[in-house]
Amino acid sequence: AQKITQTQPGMFVQEKEAVTLDCTYDTSDQSYGLFWYKQPSSGEMIFLIYQGSYDEQNATEGRYSLNFQKARKSANLVISASQLGDSAMYFCAMREAPNFGNEKLTFGTGTRLTIIP
Amino acid sequence: NAGVTQTPKFQVLKTGQSMTLQCAQDMNHEYMSWYRQDPGMGLRLIHYSVGAGITDQGEVPNGYNVSRSTTEDFPLRLLSAAPSQTSVYFCASSYSSLGYEQYFGPGTRLTVT
Repeated sequence: AQKITQTQPGMFVQEKEAVTLDCTYDTSDQSYGLFWYKQPSSGEMIFLIYQGSYDEQNATEGRYSLNFQKARKSANLVISASQLGDSAMYFCAMREAPNFGNEKLTFGTGTRLTIIP
Repeated sequence: NAGVTQTPKFQVLKTGQSMTLQCAQDMNHEYMSWYRQDPGMGLRLIHYSVGAGITDQGEVPNGYNVSRSTTEDFPLRLLSAAPSQTSVYFCASSYSSLGYEQYFGPGTRLTVT
């Protein structure tokens, strides 16, 4: 079974609109972390936002927020007021810690976001 | 700080050749890992290390070896390159704790002919 599922291979959004990128995850651990990374066409991986499984509030970082619904095992990324520079590939990832020192980061297959002027 | 550095940026190998991809970090991170990125498959974990002298296999370890003799360096060795190993390889590092993000190197684009 996929541990991280991103069901939107591609999205087109008008500039200045908000966009939600979907991510669902599968784990039996109580303690885990969820991350979103951005990969522009230049290829580097850029960390955007983190949500811990025990965090009660949704994480926010500037225009990025993470809509964390633990019971549904979903961790959607919301980008407010999209900009042309937001066009990129976006990856959701989960870090599990079943044993100390054994934390592995598992990635979804990504969503390619294109912002239209 | 240079962060995570990887060399080379590009490499072309013939089938059967061996080579080492270099990775170094200057942030004193305990945790280091190697991923490969293939189209439509996201990033997949090859090997990882939680400290000097400690390594373990990830999701796709076959055909690769690693060692970690120092905190800073985590080289990835391709023993006998195959066309299926054509990919972009990323090295990453972080503090060995759940809440810390991984910092990624710029990647190495490897082509095996």
